[in-house]
Amino acid sequence: AQKITQTQPGMFVQEKEAVTLDCTYDTSDPSYGLFWYKQPSSGEMIFLIYQGSYDQQNATEGRYSLNFQKARKSANLVISASQLGDSAMYFCAMRGLNSGGYQKVTFGTGTKLQVIP
Amino acid sequence: DAGVIQSPRHEVTEMGQEVTLRCKPISGHDYLFWYRQTMMRGLELLIYFNNNVPIDDSGMPEDRFSAKMPNASFSTLKIQPSEPRDSAVYFCASSSYEGGNHEQYFGPGTRLTVT
Repeated sequence: AQKITQTQPGMFVQEKEAVTLDCTYDTSDPSYGLFWYKQPSSGEMIFLIYQGSYDQQNATEGRYSLNFQKARKSANLVISASQLGDSAMYFCAMRGLNSGGYQKVTFGTGTKLQVIP
Repeated sequence: DAGVIQSPRHEVTEMGQEVTLRCKPISGHDYLFWYRQTMMRGLELLIYFNNNVPIDDSGMPEDRFSAKMPNASFSTLKIQPSEPRDSAVYFCASSSYEGGNHEQYFGPGTRLTVT
């Protein structure tokens, strides 16, 4: 079974500061992918960043970077230079293979980030 | 591309009625996912299709739920009969294996309220 854990239900960050959102995972699959999604108050799910389990480099997308520590099974999202528009729920997710050999996607419970002016 | 399209955006129905949610995935995507989001249970994967074939429906809560994908551009999620505890936001998402990362593109969701 695979599991995603986000231990921070809510976070505050000052505008223009960096913030780290924690995500740990558990899986027995040798190959998997880790994702971060943003869900603003309007409700849509927006893809932010992806990290493959075999990728040597940490993924980066603009102000987003994924701090991937495979041995610790963590995939933290770092947002640099926070903006007011970053206020949203953030979900960590994992794609792996279940026992039947089929793709399995699991989402964490999310972290609500609020950026303070 | 228009992105993943879902309809209706909002649905209010009475307990016992049949509800059908619709999804049009992004053209060329070969995976389609149905999710349900509630405050209590978070985001749950209900079922996913690959090349129109249901692959894993282990997340479907019970027999009242059914999903079909008659062709590559259309899928439905049906609840019959509906119950108040089915009230949630239902998301459809699609992805392609091209590139290997399986990034999922989500639709805007259907907010279902069963009274």
